[in-house]
Amino acid sequence: AQKITQTQPGMFVQEKEAVTLDCTYDTSDPSYGLFWYKQPSSGEMIFLIYQGSYDQQNATEGRYSLNFQKARKSANLVISASQLGDSAMYFCAMREDSYTGANSKLTFGKGITLSVRP
Amino acid sequence: EPEVTQTPSHQVTQMGQEVILRCVPISNHLYFYWYRQILGQKVEFLVSFYNNEISEKSEIFDDQFSVERPDGSNFTLKIRSTKLEDSAMYFCASRETGFEQYFGPGTRLTVT
Repeated sequence: AQKITQTQPGMFVQEKEAVTLDCTYDTSDPSYGLFWYKQPSSGEMIFLIYQGSYDQQNATEGRYSLNFQKARKSANLVISASQLGDSAMYFCAMREDSYTGANSKLTFGKGITLSVRP
Repeated sequence: EPEVTQTPSHQVTQMGQEVILRCVPISNHLYFYWYRQILGQKVEFLVSFYNNEISEKSEIFDDQFSVERPDGSNFTLKIRSTKLEDSAMYFCASRETGFEQYFGPGTRLTVT
């Protein structure tokens, strides 16, 4: 089974509007972390936001917020007030802590392409 | 702000040749990783490294791959005999003790 599922093939949003990028995950580990990374066309991986499985509140970082629904195993990224520079590929990733401990790797989804229209 | 650096940014090599991809992690970081991304696909874990030894490796990381931290600053990935399917973007990442892995800009490896 896929550990991270990102099924939206491509998303379009009008500048200044909000957009939600979907991510569902699958794990039996009680301790895990969820990440979103942005990859612009230049190729680098830019960390956006993190949510721990035991965090009580949804994570927020500036215009980014993570809609964490633990029972549904979803961790959707919400970008408010979209900007042209937000056009990029967005990856959801998970780290499972209990099995390999603190050095656990990140498992990535296939990514979603976001295009912001002026 | 400190950052992970990688050299070269692009490497072209012939099939069967050895390549070494270099990374300089952030100086006080303790955990080091290599990932790869075949064009248009998802990022895949290769190997993690801590306390001068491999912590975990994926199925991709076979005997053709090796990692080394030859001094206090560099972290290298060596591919002994490159294949066409090794063509990908290779990312180095490092982490201190917190949750965030900081990624380098990547090295694009093209095997011809």
